Amino acid sequence: DGGITQSPKYLFRKEGQNVTLSCEQNLNHDAMYWYRQDPGQGLRLIYYSQIVNDFQKGDIAEGYSVSREKKESFPLTVTSAQKNPTAFYLCASSMQLNQPQHFGDGTRLSIL
Amino acid sequence: GIQVEQSPPDLILQEGANSTLRCNFSDSVNNLQWFHQNPWGQLINLFYIPSGTKQNGRLSATTVATERYSLLYISSSQTTDSGVYFCAVEGDYKLSFGAGTTVTVRA
Repeated sequence: DGGITQSPKYLFRKEGQNVTLSCEQNLNHDAMYWYRQDPGQGLRLIYYSQIVNDFQKGDIAEGYSVSREKKESFPLTVTSAQKNPTAFYLCASSMQLNQPQHFGDGTRLSIL
Repeated sequence: GIQVEQSPPDLILQEGANSTLRCNFSDSVNNLQWFHQNPWGQLINLFYIPSGTKQNGRLSATTVATERYSLLYISSSQTTDSGVYFCAVEGDYKLSFGAGTTVTVRA
Protein backbone atom coordinates (compact mmCIF):
# COMPACT_ATOMS: atom_id res chain seq x y z
CA ASP A 1 0.00 0.00 0.00
CA GLY A 2 1.16 3.54 -0.68
CA GLY A 3 1.80 5.67 2.32
CA ILE A 4 4.15 7.35 4.74
CA THR A 5 6.06 5.25 7.26
CA GLN A 6 7.59 6.74 10.37
CA SER A 7 9.84 4.80 12.69
CA PRO A 8 10.18 4.12 15.49
CA LYS A 9 6.76 4.81 17.06
CA TYR A 10 8.37 5.49 20.43
CA LEU A 11 11.88 6.77 21.07
CA PHE A 12 13.75 7.56 24.25
CA ARG A 13 16.74 9.85 24.37
CA LYS A 14 19.31 10.44 27.03
CA GLU A 15 20.47 13.95 27.79
CA GLY A 16 23.15 15.07 25.34
CA GLN A 17 22.34 12.49 22.68
CA ASN A 18 21.40 13.08 19.09
CA VAL A 19 18.59 10.90 17.74
CA THR A 20 17.30 10.42 14.22
CA LEU A 21 13.67 9.88 13.29
CA SER A 22 12.94 8.09 10.05
CA CYS A 23 10.33 9.07 7.46
CA GLU A 24 9.85 7.13 4.23
CA GLN A 25 7.16 7.60 1.58
CA ASN A 26 6.27 5.57 -1.49
CA LEU A 27 3.73 8.03 -2.89
CA ASN A 28 6.24 9.52 -5.37
CA HIS A 29 5.72 12.91 -3.71
CA ASP A 30 8.25 15.67 -4.28
CA ALA A 31 7.58 17.65 -1.10
CA MET A 32 8.11 16.42 2.45
CA TYR A 33 7.69 18.05 5.84
CA TRP A 34 8.42 17.61 9.55
CA TYR A 35 6.11 18.93 12.25
CA ARG A 36 6.24 18.96 16.02
CA GLN A 37 3.15 18.67 18.23
CA ASP A 38 3.12 19.45 21.96
CA PRO A 39 0.27 18.33 24.22
CA GLY A 40 -2.96 20.23 23.63
CA GLN A 41 -1.54 22.21 20.74
CA GLY A 42 -1.56 22.25 16.98
CA LEU A 43 1.36 21.26 14.78
CA ARG A 44 4.33 23.52 14.12
CA LEU A 45 6.60 23.23 11.08
CA ILE A 46 10.24 22.29 11.70
CA TYR A 47 11.65 21.79 8.18
CA TYR A 48 10.32 21.18 4.71
CA SER A 49 11.80 19.98 1.43
CA GLN A 50 10.46 20.85 -1.99
CA ILE A 51 12.73 18.49 -3.88
CA VAL A 52 15.71 16.19 -3.46
CA ASN A 53 18.84 17.90 -2.09
CA ASP A 54 16.86 20.96 -1.07
CA PHE A 55 15.28 21.85 2.27
CA GLN A 56 14.17 24.96 4.10
CA LYS A 57 13.73 25.92 7.75
CA GLY A 58 10.26 26.14 9.13
CA ASP A 59 9.11 28.07 12.19
CA ILE A 60 11.00 26.09 14.86
CA ALA A 61 14.15 24.70 13.18
CA GLU A 62 16.61 25.44 16.00
CA GLY A 63 18.07 22.24 17.46
CA TYR A 64 17.01 20.11 14.49
CA SER A 65 18.65 19.04 11.22
CA VAL A 66 17.43 17.19 8.12
CA SER A 67 18.72 15.72 4.89
CA ARG A 68 17.01 14.85 1.60
CA GLU A 69 19.35 12.59 -0.34
CA LYS A 70 16.56 10.48 -1.80
CA LYS A 71 13.06 11.39 -2.93
CA GLU A 72 11.55 8.75 -0.67
CA SER A 73 13.35 9.65 2.55
CA PHE A 74 13.46 12.71 4.81
CA PRO A 75 15.10 11.87 8.16
CA LEU A 76 15.00 14.30 11.06
CA THR A 77 17.81 14.53 13.61
CA VAL A 78 17.01 15.96 17.01
CA THR A 79 20.31 17.30 18.29
CA SER A 80 21.48 17.88 21.84
CA ALA A 81 21.01 21.60 21.16
CA GLN A 82 17.23 21.08 21.27
CA LYS A 83 16.56 21.78 24.94
CA ASN A 84 12.99 20.55 25.08
CA PRO A 85 12.75 17.66 22.61
CA THR A 86 9.93 15.73 24.28
CA ALA A 87 7.06 15.90 21.78
CA PHE A 88 5.11 14.05 19.11
CA TYR A 89 6.79 14.32 15.69
CA LEU A 90 4.82 13.98 12.47
CA CYS A 91 6.13 13.66 8.94
CA ALA A 92 4.05 14.60 5.91
CA SER A 93 4.34 14.64 2.14
CA SER A 94 2.56 16.21 -0.81
CA MET A 95 2.88 15.96 -4.57
CA GLN A 96 4.25 19.48 -4.62
CA LEU A 97 4.16 22.49 -2.34
CA ASN A 98 0.65 23.93 -2.02
CA GLN A 99 -0.90 20.51 -2.57
CA PRO A 100 -2.78 18.48 0.09
CA GLN A 101 -0.45 17.04 2.71
CA HIS A 102 -0.70 13.46 3.96
CA PHE A 103 0.71 12.41 7.29
CA GLY A 104 2.52 9.44 8.80
CA ASP A 105 1.50 7.96 12.16
CA GLY A 106 4.13 9.89 14.13
CA THR A 107 6.99 9.23 16.54
CA ARG A 108 6.75 10.01 20.26
CA LEU A 109 10.10 11.17 21.64
CA SER A 110 10.78 11.26 25.37
CA ILE A 111 13.82 12.20 27.44
CA LEU A 112 15.13 9.72 29.99
CA GLY B 1 2.73 34.19 9.68
CA ILE B 2 -0.93 33.45 9.15
CA GLN B 3 -2.97 33.22 12.35
CA VAL B 4 -5.57 30.46 12.61
CA GLU B 5 -8.28 30.47 15.24
CA GLN B 6 -10.63 27.56 15.85
CA SER B 7 -13.81 27.56 17.85
CA PRO B 8 -15.08 26.20 20.09
CA PRO B 9 -12.02 24.73 21.82
CA ASP B 10 -14.09 21.89 23.27
CA LEU B 11 -17.38 20.33 22.24
CA ILE B 12 -19.37 17.60 23.97
CA LEU B 13 -22.10 15.96 21.94
CA GLN B 14 -24.71 13.31 22.49
CA GLU B 15 -24.60 10.60 19.88
CA GLY B 16 -26.82 11.56 16.95
CA ALA B 17 -26.41 15.32 17.41
CA ASN B 18 -25.21 17.74 14.75
CA SER B 19 -22.46 20.31 15.22
CA THR B 20 -20.49 23.05 13.48
CA LEU B 21 -16.80 23.82 13.96
CA ARG B 22 -15.35 27.11 12.82
CA CYS B 23 -11.93 28.16 11.54
CA ASN B 24 -10.97 31.82 11.04
CA PHE B 25 -7.72 32.83 9.37
CA SER B 26 -5.94 36.14 9.15
CA ASP B 27 -4.77 36.33 5.52
CA SER B 28 -5.35 35.03 2.01
CA VAL B 29 -4.44 31.37 1.68
CA ASN B 30 -3.59 28.97 -1.14
CA ASN B 31 -4.87 25.88 0.59
CA LEU B 32 -7.05 24.87 3.54
CA GLN B 33 -7.28 21.40 5.00
CA TRP B 34 -9.37 19.88 7.77
CA PHE B 35 -7.91 16.96 9.72
CA HIS B 36 -9.16 14.59 12.39
CA GLN B 37 -6.63 13.40 14.96
CA ASN B 38 -7.73 10.20 16.66
CA PRO B 39 -6.78 9.21 20.23
CA TRP B 40 -3.71 7.36 18.90
CA GLY B 41 -2.38 10.52 17.31
CA GLN B 42 -3.07 9.60 13.70
CA LEU B 43 -3.89 12.62 11.59
CA ILE B 44 -6.50 11.84 8.97
CA ASN B 45 -7.26 14.08 6.00
CA LEU B 46 -10.90 15.08 5.92
CA PHE B 47 -11.05 17.82 3.33
CA TYR B 48 -8.85 19.85 1.03
CA ILE B 49 -11.03 22.89 0.57
CA PRO B 50 -9.46 26.24 -0.35
CA SER B 51 -12.93 27.46 -1.36
CA GLY B 52 -16.47 26.20 -1.86
CA THR B 53 -18.34 23.30 -0.31
CA LYS B 54 -17.56 19.60 -0.15
CA GLN B 55 -19.31 16.64 1.41
CA ASN B 56 -18.05 13.24 2.48
CA GLY B 57 -20.66 11.08 4.15
CA ARG B 58 -21.81 12.69 7.40
CA LEU B 59 -19.14 15.38 7.15
CA SER B 60 -19.20 18.48 5.04
CA ALA B 61 -17.11 21.64 4.85
CA THR B 62 -17.50 25.12 3.48
CA THR B 63 -14.76 27.70 2.96
CA VAL B 64 -15.52 31.34 2.22
CA ALA B 65 -12.07 32.53 1.21
CA THR B 66 -13.08 36.16 0.70
CA GLU B 67 -14.28 36.32 4.33
CA ARG B 68 -11.42 34.17 5.64
CA TYR B 69 -13.30 31.42 7.38
CA SER B 70 -14.17 27.77 7.01
CA LEU B 71 -16.83 25.62 8.66
CA LEU B 72 -16.85 21.88 9.30
CA TYR B 73 -20.24 20.24 9.82
CA ILE B 74 -20.69 16.92 11.58
CA SER B 75 -24.14 15.41 11.24
CA SER B 76 -25.60 12.49 13.19
CA SER B 77 -22.46 12.26 15.28
CA GLN B 78 -21.08 8.88 16.36
CA THR B 79 -18.66 7.95 19.14
CA THR B 80 -15.99 7.30 16.50
CA ASP B 81 -16.12 11.00 15.62
CA SER B 82 -14.42 11.79 18.93
CA GLY B 83 -10.96 13.31 18.72
CA VAL B 84 -9.38 16.62 17.82
CA TYR B 85 -10.29 18.44 14.63
CA PHE B 86 -7.64 20.70 13.14
CA CYS B 87 -7.91 23.36 10.52
CA ALA B 88 -4.67 24.15 8.67
CA VAL B 89 -4.08 26.87 6.10
CA GLU B 90 -1.26 27.23 3.63
CA GLY B 91 0.30 30.47 2.53
CA ASP B 92 3.91 30.84 1.45
CA TYR B 93 4.38 27.02 1.32
CA LYS B 94 3.77 26.49 5.03
CA LEU B 95 0.79 24.85 6.70
CA SER B 96 -0.24 26.80 9.79
CA PHE B 97 -2.43 24.90 12.22
CA GLY B 98 -5.07 26.10 14.60
CA ALA B 99 -5.11 24.82 18.18
CA GLY B 100 -7.92 22.39 17.35
CA THR B 101 -11.41 21.61 18.58
CA THR B 102 -11.65 18.62 20.91
CA VAL B 103 -14.87 16.74 20.21
CA THR B 104 -16.27 14.18 22.63
CA VAL B 105 -19.29 12.19 21.50
CA ARG B 106 -21.14 10.36 24.26
CA ALA B 107 -23.21 7.25 23.67
